[in-house]
Amino acid sequence: DIQMTQSPSSLSASIGDRITITCRASQSINIYLNWYQQKPGKAPNLLIYASSTLHTGVPSRFNGSGSGTDFTLTISSLQPEDFATYYCQQSYSTPPLSFGPGTKVYVK
Amino acid sequence: ELQLVESGGGLMQPGGSLRLSCAASGFSVSNNYMAWVRQAPGKGLQWVSVIFAGGETHYADSVKGRFTISRDNSNNTLYLQMNSLRAEDTGVYFCARSFRAALDIWGQGTTVTVSS
Repeated sequence: DIQMTQSPSSLSASIGDRITITCRASQSINIYLNWYQQKPGKAPNLLIYASSTLHTGVPSRFNGSGSGTDFTLTISSLQPEDFATYYCQQSYSTPPLSFGPGTKVYVK
Repeated sequence: ELQLVESGGGLMQPGGSLRLSCAASGFSVSNNYMAWVRQAPGKGLQWVSVIFAGGETHYADSVKGRFTISRDNSNNTLYLQMNSLRAEDTGVYFCARSFRAALDIWGQGTTVTVSS
């Protein structure tokens, strides 16, 4: 099975900051990498699929990149509604649907 | 509107059974790859089970032999039959639709608590 890791596990940031979250797969997954945002008590929401394609309605300040084993999610200018936990998930070899452990973004 | 609504969660003793339901609207569960994902309290997302459009099913090792995923096309509903429940099955259970190899529609979640 493909294992996913994320770094950092948490980060503190301020409104307007540019932040980057990294996701790494245990083997090459081409561009089959998705990103989700989850707020407390809510279901996850799809942000980006296929490494860099924004899901419908997702603001353009979110950007995804990468291929092979290394991927990044960047938020260009952090907004109040972006404080949440972010998960990556590989869809190259499923099942299983492997998720990363998550990165919590909180207020500095 | 494309929507999934889960129900059926609750408090169960270890060894008990529950059936979770996930009612879909705006699309057909029978034509889509559907998944159950769970989240233990304070933890991350864990895949539980999937059913392909063609009916093939798969399970995480932790639930294999105890959980069964199914669907009712006439009711447009996805199910998860959970038997021999354990404390480690406690968490929020989400159903989700896979589209373009990503989970694009999620239900609100239903809480399962296994405790004596």
